[in-house]
Amino acid sequence: AQKITQTQPGMFVQEKEAVTLDCTYDTSDPSYGLFWYKQPSSGEMIFLIYQGSYDQQNATEGRYSLNFQKARKSANLVISASQLGDSAMYFCAMRATSGTYKYIFGTGTRLKVLA
Amino acid sequence: GAVVSQHPSRVICKSGTSVKIECRSLDFQATTMFWYRQFPKQSLMLMATSNEGSKATYEQGVEKDKFLINHASLTLSTLTVTSAHPEDSSFYICSARDEGRAIAVGWQYFGPGTRLTVL
Repeated sequence: AQKITQTQPGMFVQEKEAVTLDCTYDTSDPSYGLFWYKQPSSGEMIFLIYQGSYDQQNATEGRYSLNFQKARKSANLVISASQLGDSAMYFCAMRATSGTYKYIFGTGTRLKVLA
Repeated sequence: GAVVSQHPSRVICKSGTSVKIECRSLDFQATTMFWYRQFPKQSLMLMATSNEGSKATYEQGVEKDKFLINHASLTLSTLTVTSAHPEDSSFYICSARDEGRAIAVGWQYFGPGTRLTVL
């Protein structure tokens, strides 16, 4: 069975500091994709970053980077230079078996950026 | 980028009534759409996969007779909550898969969500 685990229900970070949000996954599928989404209080799901299982390099998108450690089955999100607007819920997700393309979501981490 | 809309954004209804939520892909065709439900402070739970021109595939534990899904065109899927009760109050989010992007990625674009409150 495929599973996503986010062990940090809540995190605090000082403005302008970097923060790492943890995500581990479990799958037997050799091909998979990992996603991070931000969900502010409005509820919309905002795509942040994507990592494919065969990608050789860690993904980066502006202030977001994904620390992909395939052997450890982890895909941690690193946010650099945190901003007050980064306060939100963050979800790690995995694309399930290729035939269905379903997403499996973790339980989420609520990040609060402090001024 | 690809846009997915949902209508209505908020709905309040009385117990026992039915509510229809629309999900539209605005600038791409989507043969596959997904419906999620999210309770407060919880994660997104997949309810069903909506397939254009065929029956939806429901996840285990989701009542197909209560949550009717229709995917009549390549840009529209609807979720109807029949005989809604207070426990159906939740945030419903749809997503659409853009086959135009790399198939291996299985990219989904999310709608803004619909907040349903059943009194």
